[in-house]
Amino acid sequence: DQQVKQNSPSLSVQEGRISILNCDYTNSMFDYFLWYKKYPAEGPTFLISISSIKDKNEDGRFTVFLNKSAKHLSLHIVPSQPGDSAVYFCAATSMEYGNKLVFGAGTILRVKS
Amino acid sequence: DTGVSQDPRHKITKRGQNVTFRCDPISEHNRLYWYRQTLGQGPEFLTYFQNEAQLEKSRLLSDRFSAERPKGSFSTLEIQRTEQGDSAMYLCASSRGSGGLPGELFFGEGSRLTVL
Repeated sequence: DQQVKQNSPSLSVQEGRISILNCDYTNSMFDYFLWYKKYPAEGPTFLISISSIKDKNEDGRFTVFLNKSAKHLSLHIVPSQPGDSAVYFCAATSMEYGNKLVFGAGTILRVKS
Repeated sequence: DTGVSQDPRHKITKRGQNVTFRCDPISEHNRLYWYRQTLGQGPEFLTYFQNEAQLEKSRLLSDRFSAERPKGSFSTLEIQRTEQGDSAMYLCASSRGSGGLPGELFFGEGSRLTVL
């Protein structure tokens, strides 16, 4: 039973354009959502997060949007850069979960120069 | 480097052998997590510690798996009588527990286990 789903295994984008990565969740108990980025041979690193009381959070080129009614969130990267090429994991948690994370399967982003 | 460190980075073993992984978290972090990641999947939660207390274990953690965190510092994850299905990347992460962003974990580079 996958509670966090990333239905696109990969995405290819031209440098300078927008990258949009999507994530769906099924558990209404989740109240905090995060994106992690992972380069080969490295552990995942925290990128950006959003609380369920908000619908948007922005940090530089990265913006996360949350649609609670649809149980859907997305990560926008504008403009995309070749260094953004990595695996992006969506994750969800809640206080009831002891803040442990439930991850999606990841989306491989390739930014072409 | 004051990040999370894991050892060994790669372990190849024969089925039935025991293996042990070590994780050294960021020193001021009181929470420590173990995750397992297989090819094409995201990390799956195994267990976590608050200081030296093991607060939760996933049902993924069979009785062949045991984790410890003596004195609330480094942690070890031992797998006894390894099976080929145990082949995976074992990730350790730490967090402040309170004061940091919810869910913001700092991951190590992982220990890759290959069971032949």
